[in-house]
Amino acid sequence: DSGVTQTPKHLITATGQRVTLRCSPRSGDLSVYWYQQSLDQGLQFLIQYYNGEERAKGNILERFSAQQFPDLHSELNLSSLELGDSALYFCASTGTGTTGSYEQFFGPGTRLTVL
Amino acid sequence: TQLLEQSPQFLSIQEGENLTVYCNSSSVFSSLQWYRQEPGEGPVLLVTVVTGGEVKKLKRLTFQFGDARKDSSLHITAAQPGDTGLYLCAGVTSGTYKYIFGTGTRLKVLA
Repeated sequence: DSGVTQTPKHLITATGQRVTLRCSPRSGDLSVYWYQQSLDQGLQFLIQYYNGEERAKGNILERFSAQQFPDLHSELNLSSLELGDSALYFCASTGTGTTGSYEQFFGPGTRLTVL
Repeated sequence: TQLLEQSPQFLSIQEGENLTVYCNSSSVFSSLQWYRQEPGEGPVLLVTVVTGGEVKKLKRLTFQFGDARKDSSLHITAAQPGDTGLYLCAGVTSGTYKYIFGTGTRLKVLA
């Protein structure tokens, strides 16, 4: 158990809909990262938050947005869903906020299926 | 675009064989991590290397960070079926906050 929690574990929805994925980082970790992993693919970095502020952005679509709340949990919002958005979405947390050792601890993931 | 290229992409070997996975970049990394991921689960951290030339051992796994901190390797001795999984290198290039994952090496060890 990494200490990172994600809900829900599975999500099935239709094209055009909007969903929210939730992540709680390890106790004390300030940084949250979101990743997308399509079938048999590598991890695509979406976005990073550090202590409530956006720190880095990756290949995140405009239809996707995220935020980190004062209690440090984070939400990833996916809207106008398309079939191609079906994937595993992982959240990871790390305690290091400056350039240095960025060991990441991953949650169990949310499997999104868009029908 | 900063890339971490891993090779080989796929590897299928017999139990007891040795193997090496490579992770290469044109960028300098302040530190580099190796993870193993099993299907449907999140990656699990194996090791962090920080110093150029550093070698770390984790049982049958040996990790090396290149002298220039641009590349790394993972060597597995006497592979076992339990080593099967997706191996990912990852890191942050010096002076940035963007965490980059390698392209991945999918290893299958046959009993």
